[in-house]
Order: sequence, then structure tokens, then C-alpha cells
Amino acid sequence: EDQVTQSPEALRLQEGESSSLNCSYTVSGLRGLFWYRQDPGKGPEFLFTLYSAGEEKEKERLKATLTKKESFLHITAPKPEDSATYLCAVQSARGYNKLIFGAGTRLAVHP
Amino acid sequence: GAVVSQHPSRVICKSGTSVKIECRSLDFQATTMFWYRQFPKQSLMLMATSNEGSKATYEQGVEKDKFLINHASLTLSTLTVTSAHPEDSSFYICSARLSGDEQYFGPGTRLTVT
Repeated sequence: EDQVTQSPEALRLQEGESSSLNCSYTVSGLRGLFWYRQDPGKGPEFLFTLYSAGEEKEKERLKATLTKKESFLHITAPKPEDSATYLCAVQSARGYNKLIFGAGTRLAVHP
Repeated sequence: GAVVSQHPSRVICKSGTSVKIECRSLDFQATTMFWYRQFPKQSLMLMATSNEGSKATYEQGVEKDKFLINHASLTLSTLTVTSAHPEDSSFYICSARLSGDEQYFGPGTRLTVT
């Protein structure tokens, strides 16, 4: 069964304190791994898609990496506006576009 | 680009009534749209996949007669919750697929059934 596990469940950082969020996955043939940001009461906002082990993508203070078993979202020198829930999702090769989401990591960045 | 809207953003209805939620892709055509449900502090659960001009594909455990989906055009999909009950209260979010694998999400609709 395809599965996504994110850790930690919640993370509190001081402004400027870099850290990483983890997404472990089990999927029958990975088609793609996706990172989204979700603010309270809003829909997810697309961040990155990763397709193969070794791939990396960056956007401002965020960098996503992918291995055969997990993905990391690295946050460098975070700011309070980076506070949100970060969701990881996978799509399997046989999933017909279906995204399987993890439970998310709630990030709080304090000034 | 890739903007998806939903209407209404919030709705309160009485038990036994039906509620319709609209999902629109504003600046692109979407042959496939998706409907998700999210309970408080939980992740998104796919309810159904909606393809323009054909019947929706429902996930296991989702009642197709209760959650009616219509995808009548390349920019509009609707979800109707029929005979709503308090346990249907949730955050409903739609998404649309552009040309690649990414899904772009709407802002969500908070449904409260009293």
C-alpha cells in the first residue's frame, strides 16, 4: 500500500534557525513527489515536484531533495512568514494522477 | 497563472439539505479536477477524480450518490453534498491539473451542517 509519513509533526524555530522537514514514502513505482505549503483555512500552494533520486529544487529559502526512500525540505534562515503546514504527497506510476498526502509538518517560526 | 477558485468559501446548512460547491480554473483549461476533504489537523483525502465530459471516479468508501460530481466544462466542476448531515461538516478542497503532473488547489470551502 502506498504511504507517506512526515516528521516531525510540529516544529518550532527561531527566526534564522535553519532546519529540515522529512517525508518518508513507500510507493509502487514513484511517478513524482510533491511539496505543498498550506496556510490555515486555505488550500495548498504548490512548491516543488521531484521525479528522481538525486534531484534538488530551490525556491527562495526552501530547498527540496529526493532519495529513493525519502525527501527533505530544507529551510534556510527562516522568517516568520514561512510559518505554515508543509505537505508532502506522492504519485505512483499506476496512480492515475492520484496524490497521496502525508499528515504534514506544522512549522512555526518565531521572531 | 494556474489559479483555481472555489465558491462559496463558507456555507452553513441544515441537516437534510443539499449544498453545491463550485470549482473553477480561471486561467487554464483542466480536463481533470479532483475533490478532497480535510478534517481538522488532518491531511487531505482524495474523494473523487472528475474528468470533463465523463463520470467521476470515486475513491473507496466515498458514496457516489451522496457526493455528486459534475464536470460539465473544461473550467468548471461542481460537488453537491446531498442530504447533508453533521458528520459531512468538513473543509472541501478542489484541485485542477494543468499540463504536467502538478495539481493546483482552490482556496477551499468550509461546510458546516447544523
